[in-house]
Amino acid sequence: DQQVKQNSPSLSVQEGRISILNCDYTNSMFDYFLWYKKYPAEGPTFLISISSIKDKNEDGRFTVFLNKSAKHLSLHIVPSQPGDSAVYFCAASGRKRGSTLGRLYFGRGTQLTVWP
Amino acid sequence: DSGVTQTPKHLITATGQRVTLRCSPRSGDLSVYWYQQSLDQGLQFLIQYYNGEERAKGNILERFSAQQFPDLHSELNLSSLELGDSALYFCASSVLRDTDNEQFFGPGTRLTVL
Repeated sequence: DQQVKQNSPSLSVQEGRISILNCDYTNSMFDYFLWYKKYPAEGPTFLISISSIKDKNEDGRFTVFLNKSAKHLSLHIVPSQPGDSAVYFCAASGRKRGSTLGRLYFGRGTQLTVWP
Repeated sequence: DSGVTQTPKHLITATGQRVTLRCSPRSGDLSVYWYQQSLDQGLQFLIQYYNGEERAKGNILERFSAQQFPDLHSELNLSSLELGDSALYFCASSVLRDTDNEQFFGPGTRLTVL
């Protein structure tokens, strides 16, 4: 049962434009969400996270938005650069007692291609 | 560089064999996680250790086992290997605070079972 879903396997964006990657989750116990970037032959690299007490978190060109009522989050990259081309994974975890503390549930990833 | 190291980088073996994958967490991280990434699959959680003790289990087969040693490094043992066990195996570590849970991943071990 896929509790974290990334419904777009791929996204192609022109350099300088905005990239929007989407993620949906089903488990209401999730209260912490993360985005990872992965290049081929490397491990996932942590990008940005957001707690359920917030609806937005920014770090440079990267912004994550969380809509708890819709169980949806998105990652915005502005402006997109060719070096951003990678697979992006959405992940979720629960930190409250009695929940699935610690382990991450991952989506299947979205391949982002940024072309010049 | 995440600070998490994994050895070996590549492993080729035959069906029925047994292998051991090794992971050293970032300095100061007490929690170690193992994930499997098969073709066309996302990252599947296998098992978590915290300060030497098993903390959570995911979709880990009975043929697989793991442990975390006093120096906090961890080993994942895969036995009676099957063709379907061919995958990337990632180790991650974290501090596991209440306020956040960023996990930092190693470069992975690519296992090929022939």
